[in-house]
Amino acid sequence: KAGVTQTPRYLIKTRGQQVTLSCSPISGHRSVSWYQQTPGQGLQFLFEYFSETQRNKGNFPGRFSGRQFSNSRSEMNVSTLELGDSALYLCASSRMGQGTDTQYFGPGTRLTVL
Amino acid sequence: SQQGEEDPQALSIQEGENATMNCSYKTSINNLQWYRQNSGRGLVHLILIRSNEREKHSGRLRVTLDTSKKSSSLLITASRAADTASYFCAWAEYNFNKFYFGSGTKLNVKP
Repeated sequence: KAGVTQTPRYLIKTRGQQVTLSCSPISGHRSVSWYQQTPGQGLQFLFEYFSETQRNKGNFPGRFSGRQFSNSRSEMNVSTLELGDSALYLCASSRMGQGTDTQYFGPGTRLTVL
Repeated sequence: SQQGEEDPQALSIQEGENATMNCSYKTSINNLQWYRQNSGRGLVHLILIRSNEREKHSGRLRVTLDTSKKSSSLLITASRAADTASYFCAWAEYNFNKFYFGSGTKLNVKP
């Protein structure tokens, strides 16, 4: 069974631009969650999607948004990028949800904002 | 993290020794999970312990959970150089609305 894939793996953007990250979950998994990891703040939960609906949301500004498609693939969008958005963005998939069963993580997208 | 902490922040041991990491959290939880991360890559799920369980084993891993103290510990026995990684605890609030990670313990196992 193929694992969680994320594209692109690396991204360099400048302040003010926007970016879209993609995540393909394990086949059969309906939940996709997104996390931001930085040296200063550690791992922080962004949001969770389940069957195309946002189920949970972390404490991030509205510049961070996401969506999930009918095939469970998910995208995350960050608009008006700031230097502080430089981070490793991880997505994870699970069958029923982040809090109920095992999450499988992708390798992450490393975003650098200049 | 304002929701929980792990200690120690870093741990350096020799191969064959045991490693113990502790996690404390602040909310009521449904379960607590432990993950491993190698060098800023994706996380690997190690073990999940439910709030009504006190101890769980998986291979060389032993996890305990004390909900009255809001704490958990991960013990890795007979450590190997390949265990070198960062270890994170994570938990879901009892109503599943939020999911949090601890601050992590960086483990270095010297061969």
